[in-house]
Amino acid sequence: AQSVAQPEDQVNVAEGNPLTVKCTYSVSGNPYLFWYVQYPNRGLQFLLKYITGDNLVKGSYGFEAEFNKSQTSFHLKKPSALVSDSALYFCAVRDNTNAGKSTFGDGTTLTVKP
Amino acid sequence: DADVTQTPRNRITKTGKRIMLECSQTKGHDRMYWYRQDPGLGLRLIYYSFDVKDINKGEISDGYSVSRQAQAKFSLSLESAIPNQTALYFCATSDLVSDSWANVLTFGAGSRLTVL
Repeated sequence: AQSVAQPEDQVNVAEGNPLTVKCTYSVSGNPYLFWYVQYPNRGLQFLLKYITGDNLVKGSYGFEAEFNKSQTSFHLKKPSALVSDSALYFCAVRDNTNAGKSTFGDGTTLTVKP
Repeated sequence: DADVTQTPRNRITKTGKRIMLECSQTKGHDRMYWYRQDPGLGLRLIYYSFDVKDINKGEISDGYSVSRQAQAKFSLSLESAIPNQTALYFCATSDLVSDSWANVLTFGAGSRLTVL
């Protein structure tokens, strides 16, 4: 079985400061990892993914994520947070033994204060 | 127009009523999914379909049924709604590519269902 943990329900940062949203995963095969963002009254939007290759993945809106196989983590980061980054963020995992199905974490609410 | 359209966006109904949530997509994707979102529980997969003739149960399919009427249409039905089915429902699509594990999901805006 595959699973995802987002240990923080809420992350608060000041505008201009770096942000990190944490994600750890468990899979039986090779992990395929995704971050999605949900703005109020909207569906989820894709931010970035890790399939293979460079452990640092760059995505939309200046976000990046670092894959760490030994720690089974895929933390989302941004060097300088914006108020408009405030949203609900979901980490998701899929492995190559669970065709076509992604498992999502419970979500982390990011609040960026001016 | 949105790539993935869900109707209705909001619905209030009573226990025991039959409800259908509809999803249509213009992305030409083969794969379609229905997820349920509850606060603090993330998204849970209800049903998924890899093509018109392929329907699969997800982790929480009890109390739900689906119909894939065409490549572009995937509807979710609650035959007899109950209050614990109150949730935000999302339809999503993905493309069948050579590296199918890399499929990114495209989501609709969601259908908020309240069962009284």
